[in-house]
Amino acid sequence: DAGVIQSPRHEVTEMGQEVTLRCKPISGHNSLFWYRQTMMRGLELLIYFNNNVPIDDSGMPEDRFSAKMPNASFSTLKIQPSEPRDSAVYFCASSTGQGAFGYTFGSGTRLTVV
Amino acid sequence: SQQGEEDPQALSIQEGENATMNCSYKTSINNLQWYRQNSGRGLVHLILIRSNEREKHSGRLRVTLDTSKKSSSLLITASRAADTASYFCATSGGSYIPTFGRGTSLIVHP
Repeated sequence: DAGVIQSPRHEVTEMGQEVTLRCKPISGHNSLFWYRQTMMRGLELLIYFNNNVPIDDSGMPEDRFSAKMPNASFSTLKIQPSEPRDSAVYFCASSTGQGAFGYTFGSGTRLTVV
Repeated sequence: SQQGEEDPQALSIQEGENATMNCSYKTSINNLQWYRQNSGRGLVHLILIRSNEREKHSGRLRVTLDTSKKSSSLLITASRAADTASYFCATSGGSYIPTFGRGTSLIVHP
């Protein structure tokens, strides 16, 4: 298995533009997480899906952020409109068995909003 | 919050020495995990210890868990320059959602 795959690896966009981050979890994993990492706030959970259903989105900062998981092999995190304070590294992680074997992270998308 | 907090924030040692990092948390947990993050990369799962376990080993890694003190430690023995990275603990409670601490930055000098 190629692991959790995120795209793009880097994204530079202008303030006000729409940004879409993509994630392909490990096949067979039924839980998917989106995290954001910054120096100031560390790793923050944004949203958690179980069996493609959003379970906890309390970490989504505001209405500009939305996430979908249309099927078991694909998820998106969208920011519209983007702002400079959204600049961060966004990670997707997946797991099975309620994380009994740990969580597998993607390599992340480094987002810069100028 | 059950968020773990690592200590120290930064650790600098010589190759061959042992490195010990600690994690404290506030509420009861189902399991605690340790992850490594190399600069510019994603987090890599190292080891998971369940709340009913006290110690686990994996290669040069040794993790202990003291639920009475709500703390865990990660010991890396005979460190190598390649161990240079940030190390995070993550705790999971009833929801099994991992919550991460701020990490310990480890530098191993060759």
